[in-house]
Amino acid sequence: DTAVSQTPKYLVTQMGNDKSIKCEQNLGHDTMYWYKQDSKKFLKIMFSYNNKELIINETVPNRFSPKSPDKAHLNLHINSLELGDSAVYFCASSQEGLVRSGNTIYFGEGSWLTVV
Amino acid sequence: DQQVKQNSPSLSVQEGRISILNCDYTNSMFDYFLWYKKYPAEGPTFLISISSIKDKNEDGRFTVFLNKSAKHLSLHIVPSQPGDSAVYFCAATPRGSNYKLTFGKGTLLTVNP
Repeated sequence: DTAVSQTPKYLVTQMGNDKSIKCEQNLGHDTMYWYKQDSKKFLKIMFSYNNKELIINETVPNRFSPKSPDKAHLNLHINSLELGDSAVYFCASSQEGLVRSGNTIYFGEGSWLTVV
Repeated sequence: DQQVKQNSPSLSVQEGRISILNCDYTNSMFDYFLWYKKYPAEGPTFLISISSIKDKNEDGRFTVFLNKSAKHLSLHIVPSQPGDSAVYFCAATPRGSNYKLTFGKGTLLTVNP
């Protein structure tokens, strides 16, 4: 039983295409995130949703549009893909935000996006 | 602007010895710190955390130390095991934020049998 699952795991696509990465969590959490790990290995937050409401949008180009149809899902749609979008995208979830109360963030396995 | 820095990209230790992974931060608003472990082709998994009101937190073989005046934390693994070989990420979150983790670049730990 995968707690945070994302599909596809690998995606190779051409510049200019539009693609989506889907994420689902079965932990009953109310907060979901998208993180990006670029070629320099930094893991950076892109978006955070709490109860389907956008909480954090970290200066991500508006070609990236997250959609949360319900608390268990947070999908990432990317329009007009560029070479610089090549990265590993991690979905994650937590309960009631972060960790001071003992909660932590659970990550999916990552989606490797390569734009050619 | 790297607010969380892990200056050692890699570390190699012998099985049974101590592994010490270091992390420095620049943002004085950070008040909660976490370590995550990541195996290849997997997502990061939570290891241990520490609040800024403490200077040490221990969980089995893993201990995290926090030196607020130096803005430095370290993760000690004793004894190190080959299964500990992974990338270790330091992360921090600022006071007043419940939804944002800032990560370092990670340190690749290799534990040799």
